[in-house]
Amino acid sequence: GAVVSQHPSRVICKSGTSVKIECRSLDFQATTMFWYRQFPKQSLMLMATSNEGSKATYEQGVEKDKFLINHASLTLSTLTVTSAHPEDSSFYICSAYRQGGMNTEAFFGQGTRLTVV
Amino acid sequence: GESVGLHLPTLSVQEGDNSIINCAYSNSASDYFIWYKQESGKGPQFIIDIRSNMDKRQGQRVTVLLNKTVKHLSLQIAATQPGDSAVYFCAENLQAGTALIFGKGTTLSVSS
Repeated sequence: GAVVSQHPSRVICKSGTSVKIECRSLDFQATTMFWYRQFPKQSLMLMATSNEGSKATYEQGVEKDKFLINHASLTLSTLTVTSAHPEDSSFYICSAYRQGGMNTEAFFGQGTRLTVV
Repeated sequence: GESVGLHLPTLSVQEGDNSIINCAYSNSASDYFIWYKQESGKGPQFIIDIRSNMDKRQGQRVTVLLNKTVKHLSLQIAATQPGDSAVYFCAENLQAGTALIFGKGTTLSVSS
């Protein structure tokens, strides 16, 4: 079963509104989670690194005031797209590492399809 | 900046054939490489990984080869099945615990 869960899986919103996407690690604690954005027929592009209890680290070109990240607990990170515009329509994916014995494996959420109309 | 890329955007094969998907990476400091499969509308699904101290690793029907000399990574899928149709991404990790950097993706189409 899924070890990283995203909610919602799909959302449609009007231009100018804000949308919150949740990313949860289901059976492990994640001090760090990662947010990616994927446009159609393109690869996953890292947007930011979400750090529990501290500010997120954003990649170059990603507006931190537009994409608000909150990592308030060890199992939950949220991405809020503020004042959404049609060009923000994309597939947003989160990931987290789970440590197990000698191995550390990255797990991905099922993604959130955001459509801004 | 350095990035992970793929040679071909699409690959079409017949069911039962072996598939080879290639990836070129440019950062010689990368320590860990992973292949992911992504079906439409879903998040990436782990297929197989390999560390930089290895040159080959086998899984069930899949093999990953790493050639550090030419910075090349490949994924071999044996006896390709229609269910293997998806987009395949290679990803690299520069340091444990940091974000994965993804290549451009290859769309694999398997016809019966």
